[in-house]
Amino acid sequence: QLQLQESGPGLVKPSETLSLTCSVSGDSISSTNYYWGWIRQPPGKGLEWIGSIYYSGSTFYDPSLNSRVTISVDKPKNQFSLKLSSVTAADTAVYYCARQSGSSVHPYYIDVWGKGTKVTVSS
Amino acid sequence: DILMTQSPDSLAVSLGERASINCKSSQSLFYSSNNKNYLAWYQQKPGQPPKLLIYWASTRESGVPDRFSGSGSGTDFTLTISSLQAEDVAVYYCQQYYHSPPYTFGQGTKLEI
Repeated sequence: QLQLQESGPGLVKPSETLSLTCSVSGDSISSTNYYWGWIRQPPGKGLEWIGSIYYSGSTFYDPSLNSRVTISVDKPKNQFSLKLSSVTAADTAVYYCARQSGSSVHPYYIDVWGKGTKVTVSS
Repeated sequence: DILMTQSPDSLAVSLGERASINCKSSQSLFYSSNNKNYLAWYQQKPGQPPKLLIYWASTRESGVPDRFSGSGSGTDFTLTISSLQAEDVAVYYCQQYYHSPPYTFGQGTKLEI
């Protein structure tokens, strides 16, 4: 059974870089037809798709975050990671890692979610 | 960006009654090359991650009760719960995954009894 587990600091200072890792168990991150992505949910608000990556390294990002976000894959560790630079209080949210069904050129719907990790941006 | 607008924002339905949630996109989500609508529905209960209910606008995810159904095409979509159960109390989101990112979500609809 596929499981996704987020890990990383729960508190990040403004202007610093938020770094999270998602460990994948029960499936290979090199599986075809799946992307690995990040979604966040600010407190009391809705869902925001951040971006996703294919095992080949092909990435799709929210253009509004594009200059600050990097998603990468570590195949030997079966993990993928999120880096979000120059964070502000507006980046405070629960961050979910997820598996996104897709073709080799396009992500589709999100079929498996991690439990989420709360990240607060504060000095 | 494609804007996704759900209605209503909140909904109260009696147990056993039908619940319908609407989702409207700012542009068509129908791709004629494969005859598919690039829309999914998710259910989120308090303190839990979202759960996939419906994809391709009307395909029910494995294990999802058949009281949940999705319909619509183009820009207008509906999630219907045919007979509301107590465990269906949640926030429901639609999401488009049509071509270019960002793959935006609706603002959510809170379903109560």
